[in-house]
Amino acid sequence: GAGVSQSPSNKVTEKGKDVELRCDPISGHTALYWYRQSLGQGLEFLIYFQGNSAPDKSGLPSDRFSAERTGGSVSTLTIQRTQQEDSAVYLCASSLLAGGQAKNIQYFGAGTRLSVL
Amino acid sequence: DAKTTQPTSMDCAEGRAANLPCNHSTISGNEYVYWYRQIHSQGPQYIIHGLKNNETNEMASLIITEDRKSSTLILPHATLRDTAVYYCIVRPLNNAGNMLTFGGGTRLMVKP
Repeated sequence: GAGVSQSPSNKVTEKGKDVELRCDPISGHTALYWYRQSLGQGLEFLIYFQGNSAPDKSGLPSDRFSAERTGGSVSTLTIQRTQQEDSAVYLCASSLLAGGQAKNIQYFGAGTRLSVL
Repeated sequence: DAKTTQPTSMDCAEGRAANLPCNHSTISGNEYVYWYRQIHSQGPQYIIHGLKNNETNEMASLIITEDRKSSTLILPHATLRDTAVYYCIVRPLNNAGNMLTFGGGTRLMVKP
């Protein structure tokens, strides 16, 4: 079956521009996560959506970052007024269960590589 | 959150078993140990998880010590395609969001 799909795979933008990154989770998965991975670094949690609950935005690094999830499926991560330090791979993951379930396995997309010039 | 400690890198000969250690000495009684790996230019991939019993699936085996302070991921017959960064993660108990906290991982290089 189809996995987590992210688009675009690569994005080059100029400093100060806004960008939108898209994530299509696995069909039926109720939880969706965004992570960021800077060059040579581990993954950094950004935001989490679960069903109709308010998202957990605790990992967003600044108010330039926002995300929405429409209809409980597709999610868009928006970065406004991009800065060079925003350059990273942005990864999306989805899972079938959430909220403390031990078997909650996250399935990741291939990511969007963002380069801010 | 319970933290994990892994060697930065390891080498393994193709066809041999790869044994990747992880220390998690501050793990709480009902926290699970998860292993993911990340092949170059791909997103992380789930491998296996366990609580206190040893686990095995089609990808790997997970051996957890009796005191649960450490574990070992075993790839029984490593191939070149197993070259990746392997992450040992302890899932936070009190985090309702259940996000994964990734450390530096172990860079496994499988050599011919």
